[in-house]
Amino acid sequence: QSVLTQPPSASGTPGQRVTISCSGSSSNIGSNYVYWYQQLPGTAPKLLIYRNNQRPSGVPDRFSGSKSGTSASLAISGLRSEDEADYYCAAWDDSLSGARVFGGGTKLTVL
Amino acid sequence: QVQLVQSGAEVKKPGASVKVSCKASGYTFTSYDINWVRQATGQGLEWMGWMNPNSGNTGYAQKFQGRVTMTRNTSISTAYMELSSLRSEDTAVYYCARDFGDLDYWGQGTLVTVSS
Repeated sequence: QSVLTQPPSASGTPGQRVTISCSGSSSNIGSNYVYWYQQLPGTAPKLLIYRNNQRPSGVPDRFSGSKSGTSASLAISGLRSEDEADYYCAAWDDSLSGARVFGGGTKLTVL
Repeated sequence: QVQLVQSGAEVKKPGASVKVSCKASGYTFTSYDINWVRQATGQGLEWMGWMNPNSGNTGYAQKFQGRVTMTRNTSISTAYMELSSLRSEDTAVYYCARDFGDLDYWGQGTLVTVSS
């Protein structure tokens, strides 16, 4: 049971816009930054979004993050086949003696 | 360029310990914390803890307290994660990652298999 809650799956067709939600609480998302990671099959996770809505260099602007209260979202516009991957949200949790917590992950399928 | 290169796959028996290494290059090793994250087959990411390579200070997830030890050798820019009293549920890929607030660079992962 993950501290942050994500839908297990999401899907879309090429060119579509999809969003992935991440729900937490006041001790994690509500009071700390949210990060998003993309994990392609058989590879290590890759940082996609940091500090709620910032993109590292090299990440396309098709990817965007937002946060409101104790929830966050990752949006992917202009969906492409290479976006098919697992996506994880993460945040620090102040109630767990300073622990980093992850969502359970969302498998994105491009139809 | 920043790289984290981990040691190879391990097979251990229940009750044994495993020590995974993570060699950093392309940046000043002592300037960024190292985190360890594991992933069981087909499962999500699970955070294990952090280590400050400069001070040696550590912080562990409650679940692993008493079983995990994170250390480093600054002379060779290498971090280590040792997990003891292994059980079958510890079978997973173990990743190290550089902590810049976010986890901006990751190692390639080390598969640890616990089997009798």
